[in-house]
Amino acid sequence: DAGVIQSPRHEVTEMGQEVTLRCKPISGHDYLFWYRQTMMRGLELLIYFNNNVPIDDSGMPEDRFSAKMPNASFSTLKIQPSEPRDSAVYFCASTLSGLVFETQYFGPGTRLLVL
Amino acid sequence: GDSVTQMEGPVTLSEEAFLTINCTYTATGYPSLFWYVQYPGEGLQLLLKATKADDKGSNKGFEATYRKETTSFHLEKGSVQVSDSAVYFCALSGRAAGNKLTFGGGTRVLVKP
Repeated sequence: DAGVIQSPRHEVTEMGQEVTLRCKPISGHDYLFWYRQTMMRGLELLIYFNNNVPIDDSGMPEDRFSAKMPNASFSTLKIQPSEPRDSAVYFCASTLSGLVFETQYFGPGTRLLVL
Repeated sequence: GDSVTQMEGPVTLSEEAFLTINCTYTATGYPSLFWYVQYPGEGLQLLLKATKADDKGSNKGFEATYRKETTSFHLEKGSVQVSDSAVYFCALSGRAAGNKLTFGGGTRVLVKP
């Protein structure tokens, strides 16, 4: 079975440009998570969805960030306008249920560099 | 709120050495505990987990025991290989948070031949 799929794998853009990151969760998984990983702050949860509905977006850094999940097999994380401090690796993860012991399955990540 | 503290790296070892990575947590109630591993250039993947006190998770020669009395979940491996070089993350999922994970800062392990 295919795991979590993310695209693009690498993105280089200039400050002020719009960036869209994409994620396809594992089929049948009801929860989808977006994380950001940086050297300074480690792994941070940005937002997560249950059945396509955003449940907790308290980790979204500011209004420049937005996330959508139009259907069960697709989610986007958008940064507009992008800034150099947004440079990071962005991971998407999915899980089958909301039970505390469920394993999260991570995608390979999108490495974003904002110049 | 929930938090996870793990030893800072990098940890540098020779092949066949014993590895321990300390992890302690703060959480209300009885969380589930996890170790995730991140190999270079890849996403995180589950290494092992434990869901209640005194449970031992194990996988690929790694072990960790859920110690409620010391709020710890230390990761151990008796004989590491070069292929174990990675970043290891301790994490918890508290009952109040459903399946939302709280991660430690990660520990980079480098195994030299």
